[in-house]
Amino acid sequence: AQTVTQSQPEMSVQEAETVTLSCTYDTSESNYYLFWYKQPPSRQMILVIRQEAYKQQNATENRFSVNFQKAAKSFSLKISDSQLGDTAMYFCASIYNQGGKLIFGQGTELSVKP
Amino acid sequence: DTGVSQNPRHKITKRGQNVTFRCDPISEHNRLYWYRQTLGQGPEFLTYFQNEAQLEKSRLLSDRFSAERPKGSFSTLEIQRTEQGDSAMYLCASSSSIGEGRGNEQFFGPGTRLTVL
Repeated sequence: AQTVTQSQPEMSVQEAETVTLSCTYDTSESNYYLFWYKQPPSRQMILVIRQEAYKQQNATENRFSVNFQKAAKSFSLKISDSQLGDTAMYFCASIYNQGGKLIFGQGTELSVKP
Repeated sequence: DTGVSQNPRHKITKRGQNVTFRCDPISEHNRLYWYRQTLGQGPEFLTYFQNEAQLEKSRLLSDRFSAERPKGSFSTLEIQRTEQGDSAMYLCASSSSIGEGRGNEQFFGPGTRLTVL
């Protein structure tokens, strides 16, 4: 079975500090996509960052970057200079098949404290 | 607003009743997905369409669930004879198959929160 696992149900970080959210996945596919989505309280899910498995370079989007370890099947998200607006549920997700359905992890609830 | 829209935003119904939800995707997107999210969990895939064709259905989608996407535009998700276990947030997302294809970003709607009493 193709799975995504997030082992940190909750995390907190002080404003302006750095935090890393963990994600592991399992697949026998050679080509796939990995994503981090953010779901703020009572708001829509939005894409934070995307990584193609065939690319060795880690993706970066402003304060957000990933550490993609393909052999270890690990895909962590680092948030630098955390802001109060980063408070949200963060979901790691993957796409393995041609249809493009997302398989989500259980989520990590991040609280940024002033 | 050119994002994904869903209606209604909230639905309260009694067990045994039928409910229907609507999703309007981003106009140029040919793929449309339905997911279900229960409290404190990640969304789970239900079904997806490419244009008007329903190409995949999850085993989660029992016989009481049906989805349509006539003319490849908006989509409806109907639940017949609702049960308390159907209470969840139902999310719709859309994407384009052009370019990166399955790797393209899925844009999510605000969801429809269903409560079955």
